[in-house]
Amino acid sequence: DSGVTQTPKHLITATGQRVTLRCSPRSGDLSVYWYQQSLDQGLQFLIQYYNGEERAKGNILERFSAQQFPDLHSELNLSSLELGDSALYFCASSVGVQSLYNEQFFGPGTRLTVL
Amino acid sequence: KNQVEQSPQSLIILEGKNCTLQCNYTVSPFSNLRWYKQDTGRGPVSLTIMTFSENTKSNGRYTATLDADTKQSSLHITASQLSDSASYICVVGTRTDKLIFGTGTRLQVFP
Repeated sequence: DSGVTQTPKHLITATGQRVTLRCSPRSGDLSVYWYQQSLDQGLQFLIQYYNGEERAKGNILERFSAQQFPDLHSELNLSSLELGDSALYFCASSVGVQSLYNEQFFGPGTRLTVL
Repeated sequence: KNQVEQSPQSLIILEGKNCTLQCNYTVSPFSNLRWYKQDTGRGPVSLTIMTFSENTKSNGRYTATLDADTKQSSLHITASQLSDSASYICVVGTRTDKLIFGTGTRLQVFP
């Protein structure tokens, strides 16, 4: 158990809908990262927040947005969902901003299925 | 373009045997290289992290090597166990704090 929690574990929805994925980082971690992993593909970095502020952006679509709240939990909002958005979404956390020995701890993921 | 390529794509071995997974990268500016283990449907777990000045690092039966000159890394698993069945992901970090992920090697260990 990494100490990172994600809810829900599974989510099934229809095209065009909007969903919110939630992540609670490990106690004491200030950075939260979001990743997308499509079937048989590698992890794609979406976005990072550090202590409430956006720190880095990856391949995140405009239909997707995220935020980190004062209690450090984070939410990833996915809107106008398409079939291709079906994937595992992972949240990871680390103590500080990414650096050499700043290990990321991954949550169990949320499996999103868009029908 | 920053890329991390892993081989083989998949591998089947018998329990107790050793195996080696490969990672080649073209990432600049290079900072560190990490190996993760990802069980099916679960989040990745870090195995090793190496900087350019380290050429080997061990974590139990897992030993990672790094050749920064040829931009290659390998992960050697000794005396494999059924629980080693997983995907192994090579990740290269840059000095600008970006992580570039490989697509992984799927390892299956059979009794």
